[in-house]
Amino acid sequence: GNSVTQMEGPVTLSEEAFLTINCTYTATGYPSLFWYVQYPGEGLQLLLKATKADDKGSNKGFEATYRKETTSFHLEKGSVQVSDSAVYFCALYSGAGSYQLTFGKGTKLSVIP
Amino acid sequence: DGGITQSPKYLFRKEGQNVTLSCEQNLNHDAMYWYRQDPGQGLRLIYYSQIVNDFQKGDIAEGYSVSREKKESFPLTVTSAQKNPTAFYLCASKNTNTEAFFGQGTRLTVV
Repeated sequence: GNSVTQMEGPVTLSEEAFLTINCTYTATGYPSLFWYVQYPGEGLQLLLKATKADDKGSNKGFEATYRKETTSFHLEKGSVQVSDSAVYFCALYSGAGSYQLTFGKGTKLSVIP
Repeated sequence: DGGITQSPKYLFRKEGQNVTLSCEQNLNHDAMYWYRQDPGQGLRLIYYSQIVNDFQKGDIAEGYSVSREKKESFPLTVTSAQKNPTAFYLCASKNTNTEAFFGQGTRLTVV
């Protein structure tokens, strides 16, 4: 079956530090890959996505590149802000006759001034 | 504006009661999902539905029930058989080749 593995948290960074959250996946076929962000007490919001190999998703300074050769979709940001503090989820959707989404366990990011 | 709406935002249940959480979407999405999230934990799939009048169990369906009588609506009932229902519940919807859209969640507390 499909699976998503993302780095354990929590991650604590100082403002303006570089962020990487690792995400690797196992899936049949050619999945679409997503990063979602969850602020406290809220639902998940789509941060970025990539639907085929070598695609780069980007939004609000965050980037992730779909690497089929390493089955990875690592999230990066060059300079984090306090407002980026949230939980980040990596996810995939493989289609293939099923509507099942697969999520990683989430990584909590805290950015301190 | 199109979106997915969960209600209520907060819900309190007494021991032995059934409660129903509402989820409505006007995005014309075929698939809808219910997830449970416990503090500091990831998402666990309860049920999902790909079309009207059809739904499948997820990883933790015991103690829960759903219906999908309309495309727009996918209510979740937390029954008295669910022994530890206190959690944050998230509803989502999706079409093929689109991302999933989430509601704002319902926080259920047993009192």
